[in-house]
Amino acid sequence: EPEVTQTPSHQVTQMGQEVILRCVPISNHLYFYWYRQILGQKVEFLVSFYNNEISEKSEIFDDQFSVERPDGSNFTLKIRSTKLEDSAMYFCASSIWREGDEQYFGPGTRLTVT
Amino acid sequence: AQSVTQLDSQVPVFEEAPVELRCNYSSSVSVYLFWYVQYPNQGLQLLLKYLSGSTLVKGINGFEAEFNKSQTSFHLRKPSVHISDTAEYFCAVSDNTGFQKLVFGTGTRLLVSP
Repeated sequence: EPEVTQTPSHQVTQMGQEVILRCVPISNHLYFYWYRQILGQKVEFLVSFYNNEISEKSEIFDDQFSVERPDGSNFTLKIRSTKLEDSAMYFCASSIWREGDEQYFGPGTRLTVT
Repeated sequence: AQSVTQLDSQVPVFEEAPVELRCNYSSSVSVYLFWYVQYPNQGLQLLLKYLSGSTLVKGINGFEAEFNKSQTSFHLRKPSVHISDTAEYFCAVSDNTGFQKLVFGTGTRLLVSP
């Protein structure tokens, strides 16, 4: 069964460093998402991406964040200058259609900023 | 904007007992409703969803949920739980406009003991 994959599973970085979290969505999906979950808190929407552009972003997704689909398979989330409060589990998701479709989630990348 | 309330942060239950996990939502527009499950160290997996039609929705692993528009609720139920149902359960909503971002509740940890 096709699945969303994410690498790395765990990333440790120092404050101020840039990180890139990588995702490979399911191949025939058209809509892509990033969510994050700070330890002990709810899963929060960051950004959605369709047709090579951001379709919606949350207030969390400030200028330090960017997303890219550099080729036909990868979908990346970049944090330019990490802060301690960026420590969280980051989930990538994808779906085929937009309206009411199931979003398939990857296993997540745990980002630890020290 | 939508919001989701899961009042129970943790629900302990004995194996083979019935369980109900509560979810209430708030929205000014029509919504789609979802329940996701998260097993330890894994991503989110869809249990079931309500888009329209019958208010009783059946999902995987014997779970079902009932949409109640007047009470703005979407409670999750299972008549007989197993040890393997121990996990975190998230209720989520999306509106039927825009790009379908999911708004999650804070989650309910279901603890099934023998």
